[in-house]
Amino acid sequence: GAVVSQHPSRVICKSGTSVKIECRSLDFQATTMFWYRQFPKQSLMLMATSNEGSKATYEQGVEKDKFLINHASLTLSTLTVTSAHPEDSSFYICSAPEVGNEAFFGQGTRLTVV
Amino acid sequence: GNSVTQMEGPVTLSEEAFLTINCTYTATGYPSLFWYVQYPGEGLQLLLKATKADDKGSNKGFEATYRKETTSFHLEKGSVQVSDSAVYFCALTQGPGTYKYIFGTGTRLKVLA
Repeated sequence: GAVVSQHPSRVICKSGTSVKIECRSLDFQATTMFWYRQFPKQSLMLMATSNEGSKATYEQGVEKDKFLINHASLTLSTLTVTSAHPEDSSFYICSAPEVGNEAFFGQGTRLTVV
Repeated sequence: GNSVTQMEGPVTLSEEAFLTINCTYTATGYPSLFWYVQYPGEGLQLLLKATKADDKGSNKGFEATYRKETTSFHLEKGSVQVSDSAVYFCALTQGPGTYKYIFGTGTRLKVLA
């Protein structure tokens, strides 16, 4: 079946630095990808929709200047958490829908900001 | 707005026990309903889905029935195995061909030998 690869799976960074998370569709093209975030004991919440060749669309309450999304090719979307702070520590996961099929999810990234 | 509520875990069962994980939803229209499973260190995998009322999704011995009258999509398995230990997420989308998911909080299942 279709596979979505997300990297890294875990990252620890210092407060004030930026972290980039990659999401790749390995055997299909995805013009749209989605980024979700999960805080402890809460649901996975949609953050933004990544659109190949155009700007991402963000859900209400998500700071677009803090969470930069780039969808430069049909198989790669990146999420950069800029000037990370401890409150950004969370589990981030991407998904990519395959046309005519369901959405496939990456392994997720556990971000810890210290 | 749309939402999904599922029972909090962790759920700990002995091997061959019966499993139920409750899931209820709030949605307008006719949502599609899903159960995803996340094994340790892996991504979310689709376990089963149902796209209309009274549909039953099934896979690997797991079943769930789309109950519009009770807005529920409870996950069941007659006899769990140690290898079923994972986190289970109930989710919905607004319908077939839409890909913005609304998830429940996830329920961790631990099966003991």
